Amino acid sequence: GAVVSQHPSRVICKSGTSVKIECRSLDFQATTMFWYRQFPKKSLMLMATSNEGSKATYEQGVEKDKFLINHASLTLSTLTVTSAHPEDSSFYICSARRQTQGYEQFFGPGTRLTVL
Amino acid sequence: GESVGLHLPTLSVQEGDNSIINCAYSNSASDYFIWYKQESGKGPQFIIDIRSNMDKRQGQRVTVLLNKTVKHLSLQIAATQPGDSAVYFCAENNGSSNTGKLIFGQGTTLQVKP
Repeated sequence: GAVVSQHPSRVICKSGTSVKIECRSLDFQATTMFWYRQFPKKSLMLMATSNEGSKATYEQGVEKDKFLINHASLTLSTLTVTSAHPEDSSFYICSARRQTQGYEQFFGPGTRLTVL
Repeated sequence: GESVGLHLPTLSVQEGDNSIINCAYSNSASDYFIWYKQESGKGPQFIIDIRSNMDKRQGQRVTVLLNKTVKHLSLQIAATQPGDSAVYFCAENNGSSNTGKLIFGQGTTLQVKP
């Protein structure tokens, strides 16, 4: 149990376009989902905390208008990178925290975004 | 400020030897710690966790040790195998927050030599 999927796994887009990344908890309900960004050979940087039915909480320095997060159900959160630029190219990873469980987060496989 | 760091960026071990990966944390309010393994191009995979009311926890071939006095966490892998080659991250929660947020360390790359 506790499987998290992400779609797409890889995406290449042109500068100025928007890209949506989906994060799904497949076999459990997630009250909270987290979005991370990871640069090559670096650690995971938390971008935002997404709670079902409420607005996401963004970390300092993360533009909420640039990275739109929607958590419409207990099994789905989406991250939309708006007007993408080459510097947005990165590995985006989501995680989900099970309802009524502790701090353990289950991670998705990640989405590699390349902006040309 | 709050931070979780790793002592060494890369650890190279011989196949069959034991590996010890270390982590230092600075937030004494943290009461939950996790080790994750991340293979290239994949998301982090849960290895083992420990709460602050324990100082040792064992899993299959892995042991986590917690020393709250010096704020130190370690992951021991017994009989290291080539499949253990990956980046290992420690993470801590913020004991004063119930958001579930985790703070990740910088990671240690484990290289297993055949």
